[in-house]
Amino acid sequence: DGGITQSPKYLFRKEGQNVTLSCEQNLNHDAMYWYRQDPGQGLRLIYYSQIVNDFQKGDIAEGYSVSREKKESFPLTVTSAQKNPTAFYLCASSPDGYSNQPQHFGDGTRLSIL
Amino acid sequence: GDSVTQMEGPVTLSEEAFLTINCTYTATGYPSLFWYVQYPGEGLQLLLKATKADDKGSNKGFEATYRKETTSFHLEKGSVQVSDSAVYFCALSGGSGAGSYQLTFGKGTKLSVIP
Repeated sequence: DGGITQSPKYLFRKEGQNVTLSCEQNLNHDAMYWYRQDPGQGLRLIYYSQIVNDFQKGDIAEGYSVSREKKESFPLTVTSAQKNPTAFYLCASSPDGYSNQPQHFGDGTRLSIL
Repeated sequence: GDSVTQMEGPVTLSEEAFLTINCTYTATGYPSLFWYVQYPGEGLQLLLKATKADDKGSNKGFEATYRKETTSFHLEKGSVQVSDSAVYFCALSGGSGAGSYQLTFGKGTKLSVIP
């Protein structure tokens, strides 16, 4: 079955450390997204990519970085500059980034501070 | 910019009760509207969608009608089950501005159904 795989499911970060969250999709989708979910705040867009080797900042990009070297992969790095990284991170994809087609979501990674 | 407002939870209902979760939006242009559901510890799943005014989306007994005149997309179900316990998100895309095909989410409404 096609879908989106996020790993790890749980991740712990030490002070001053960068950590990378993995997102892989086998849906052959062009567009991929990263969201942050905090209790009572819904989902906020961190970064998105509409095509390989291109990506744009979302509403809360500070302290995060991404790459899109392959169509199926869109890893997110939470850098030490992100002072409040504890949250649930969701990756999503859609057939393209230029229409109103629904997004498909992975099962998320929960990041906590040690 | 675009925004979505949905009723605050949590909502607690008895099994077989009628469910309504209100959602209103602000957007220019002609957005598409969505309801997503999130079960505990999981990602979001698309529940239903509507792409133009007066469209009705439906799935698994849930329904929502795109009302442009009231800018609303309320979620309803006639008889809820314990398995419907989850967080429900209203969202839109294609409203206005740069990157308008990104999803704008409401804050979510947690539903608990008790036997």
